[in-house]
Amino acid sequence: DTGVSQDPRHKITKRGQNVTFRCDPISEHNRLYWYRQTLGQGPEFLTYFQNEAQLEKSRLLSDRFSAERPKGSFSTLEIQRTEQGDSAMYLCASSESGVEPGTQYFGPGTRLTVL
Amino acid sequence: AQKVTQAQTEISVVEKEDVTLDCVYETRDTTYYLFWYKQPPSGELVFLIRRNSFDEQNEISGRYSWNFQKSTSSFNFTITASQVVDSAVYFCALSEAARNYGQNFVFGPGTRLSVLP
Repeated sequence: DTGVSQDPRHKITKRGQNVTFRCDPISEHNRLYWYRQTLGQGPEFLTYFQNEAQLEKSRLLSDRFSAERPKGSFSTLEIQRTEQGDSAMYLCASSESGVEPGTQYFGPGTRLTVL
Repeated sequence: AQKVTQAQTEISVVEKEDVTLDCVYETRDTTYYLFWYKQPPSGELVFLIRRNSFDEQNEISGRYSWNFQKSTSSFNFTITASQVVDSAVYFCALSEAARNYGQNFVFGPGTRLSVLP
């Protein structure tokens, strides 16, 4: 399977705990994106990487959120001191680089539930 | 700022009926890209189509067709002879051709399609 993969698929945690999610993009894709999706809504952009450089961050990404892509391949999204409002589906997508915005291909998501 | 509206929150049809999902967008850019994605109950967003603002030709792919009209800023999606497997949430998305590839990729709220047997 050469699609975008995410791990874990589900995460249940208690408020105040830290969680980390992993995303493995399609291997030849240089761009990687993180989104958050809440029930009944479309995905909302969180952050974007071109290779290992984090080029954009949404205002939605509070100080408790941090994302890395250390070697320009897989990426991690960490949420510190989780709150109930963080409960959502966290989606990762990747695309080829180029002058035009590439088509983003999405992973299956990580569903986070904060109790 | 760009915006995508999908006015139909939920649609129910009976199998074999045709159904059209509406998408209206707003952008100040002259160069932009429009997308449709399908999100089945399993949750994974599946890419369906990409169209750039300079290509107004309608497209047909099997039972799927797309009608792009710049004059009305619409990019509607029609499923012909719907099947139960078409049941999903469908998202329209807009990407402006600017340097900020992340923040300029905006999704609509989605339309939940239920195809009843």
